[in-house]
Amino acid sequence: SFVLAQPPSVSVAPGKTARITCGANNIGTKDVHWYRQRPGQAPVLVVYDDSVRPSGIPERFSGSNSGNTATLTISRVEAGDEADYYCQLWDRSGDQSVFGGGTRLTVL
Amino acid sequence: EVQLVESGGGSVQPGGSLRLSCVGSGFTFNLYWMHWVRQAPGKGLEWVSRIDYDGSTTSYADSLKGRVTVSRDNAKNTLYLQMNSLGAEDTAVYYCARDLYYMDVWGKGTTVTVSS
Repeated sequence: SFVLAQPPSVSVAPGKTARITCGANNIGTKDVHWYRQRPGQAPVLVVYDDSVRPSGIPERFSGSNSGNTATLTISRVEAGDEADYYCQLWDRSGDQSVFGGGTRLTVL
Repeated sequence: EVQLVESGGGSVQPGGSLRLSCVGSGFTFNLYWMHWVRQAPGKGLEWVSRIDYDGSTTSYADSLKGRVTVSRDNAKNTLYLQMNSLGAEDTAVYYCARDLYYMDVWGKGTTVTVSS
């Protein structure tokens, strides 16, 4: 079954750009989705289908997916972006959904 | 307002059973597939199960197959998760989520604690 590899943590200074990766063999052939989870809260969808932002999500959030890596990019990082971020996809061959292990974004 | 509200969590002894519920409102419930996702304390998200519009097609995580059953009652706008033979490893917050191939709406979760 699919295994999605995320770095456990990413740190970035306010105003800079954070990039969170999600790696798997040929992940570029899949549709990847990203969720933000603040402490004590439910996850929130921030990017779907690799690069589409739901309504209400700031333009600072963007996504890309190619080859073996999908990337969530957060520009002009703010203190409020500090959270855990998860990638996710549907593995059709295994008929299962798969989440990455999650990345904790720390704003310095 | 589109909303999902889970219930049914609580404390249960090892080997016990529990049925979780998730009520949807603010949208046409029977038009959407639905998911269950769980999160153990201090851990990441783990997908549990998915069910189609009318309950005729279901999918389960390999780690849970045979111990959980997902179902729905569209007349009541309610999704269910029946969990049996519970162990400590099932202690988690259980979320339901609406499916559009991605999970666009989540409930706040219900907590299940398995302990003697």
